[in-house]
Amino acid sequence: NAGVTQTPKFQVLKTGQSMTLQCAQDMNHNSMYWYRQDPGMGLRLIYYSASEGTTDKGEVPNGYNVSRLNKREFSLRLESAAPSQTSVYFCASSEPYPYEQYFGPGTRLTVT
Amino acid sequence: AQSVTQLDSQVPVFEEAPVELRCNYSSSVSVYLFWYVQYPNQGLQLLLKYLSGSTLVKGINGFEAEFNKSQTSFHLRKPSVHISDTAEYFCAVIVYAGKSTFGDGTTLTVKP
Repeated sequence: NAGVTQTPKFQVLKTGQSMTLQCAQDMNHNSMYWYRQDPGMGLRLIYYSASEGTTDKGEVPNGYNVSRLNKREFSLRLESAAPSQTSVYFCASSEPYPYEQYFGPGTRLTVT
Repeated sequence: AQSVTQLDSQVPVFEEAPVELRCNYSSSVSVYLFWYVQYPNQGLQLLLKYLSGSTLVKGINGFEAEFNKSQTSFHLRKPSVHISDTAEYFCAVIVYAGKSTFGDGTTLTVKP
């Protein structure tokens, strides 16, 4: 039982490049989330998927897109990376009630 | 809308001393309350949660927290800390999937 897995662990991009961060969970959870973590700012929600087939914007969605590929997988895409997107990205999953979230190990992204 | 304030960004403490990490929240609706811990270069792990019922909740690693509705607080405590408790701690409030707010984090440093 791997829980929540994320790939890659590290990535360096040049400004304007695109990439997709992958996330998968094996806990059969309905809801999945993407957060970014910046120093001193806690976690901010980028997008979430309450259930398979649905996605909604969170607090900071600009510059990102997501795809809920199936119940297990939820990907985050940066179409044209900017230095402001340098961050650590976490994927999480949860069941409805009580929304206790399980987190992946994170992807550390640097945009130069 | 809800908000979370972690009142201390850094808490240094000596080994075997007690510690309290403070969290205040505001919300116009009922929320679920969580504390998570993040060890260096890892994802977040759930320490404990308050859903309803007894206002004193116990979590893993000897931590406990008390929900105070009148003061809208959810402070985390441990009677005797260990070096291994050195980590960042996050308070979070969740209303429903996609409506989660994390505090900015408190760095606990346990000194020998």
